[in-house]
Amino acid sequence: EVQLVESGGGLVQPGRSLRLSCAASGFNFEDYAMHWVRQAPGKGLEWVSGINWKSGSIGYGDSVKGRFTISRDNAKNSLYLHMNSLRAEDTALYYCAKDTGITGTHSHFDYWGQGTLVTVSS
Amino acid sequence: DIQVTQSPSSLSASVGDRVTITCRASQDISNSLAWYQQKPGKAPKLLLYAASRLESGVPSRFSGSGSGTDYTLTISSLQPEDFAAYYCQQYYSTPWTFGQGTKVEIK
Repeated sequence: EVQLVESGGGLVQPGRSLRLSCAASGFNFEDYAMHWVRQAPGKGLEWVSGINWKSGSIGYGDSVKGRFTISRDNAKNSLYLHMNSLRAEDTALYYCAKDTGITGTHSHFDYWGQGTLVTVSS
Repeated sequence: DIQVTQSPSSLSASVGDRVTITCRASQDISNSLAWYQQKPGKAPKLLLYAASRLESGVPSRFSGSGSGTDYTLTISSLQPEDFAAYYCQQYYSTPWTFGQGTKVEIK
């Protein structure tokens, strides 16, 4: 059974940093691209970032480019999101999502975690 | 960036009704469109991809159609468990973008 378990969320002040983690199991993690998708309270879905199987291709949404960094450790079956210079508008539930493919060139998401909540407030 | 406009934003329907939700992309996305269902407090679930291909395990009352810039999700006979929010997503080019969502409520 595919499982994605996010952690690392919490309350953080504007301008500070936070690192999210996603522990994957139930599939060959190194064979798939992975993504972060977020959802602000009561709002829709927004793709944040994606990384291909070998970390050779990485992409970011416009609203986080230059502030967030995605990475993965295939040996640990783990995905990460380093978030710097956090803003109030980054407040959201952050989902880890598995790509249906390896390259991340035409990405849609067949498995999702339950999310970790990030609240940016002073 | 490709913009995806989804409509309606909400609808009320009864069990057994036929329901249609549409998404319009700002450019031709060549059937690179997925549909997701999200129930309150839960993660999204993939329903269809490539505009019309049903994900494994999804009931056949869900179907998708369209081409170019215009796509449709149809639920042929609404069931109680189908009351949820639905989102489309284009994956033709990055950044991958979602429609604003459609909330399907009980009439």
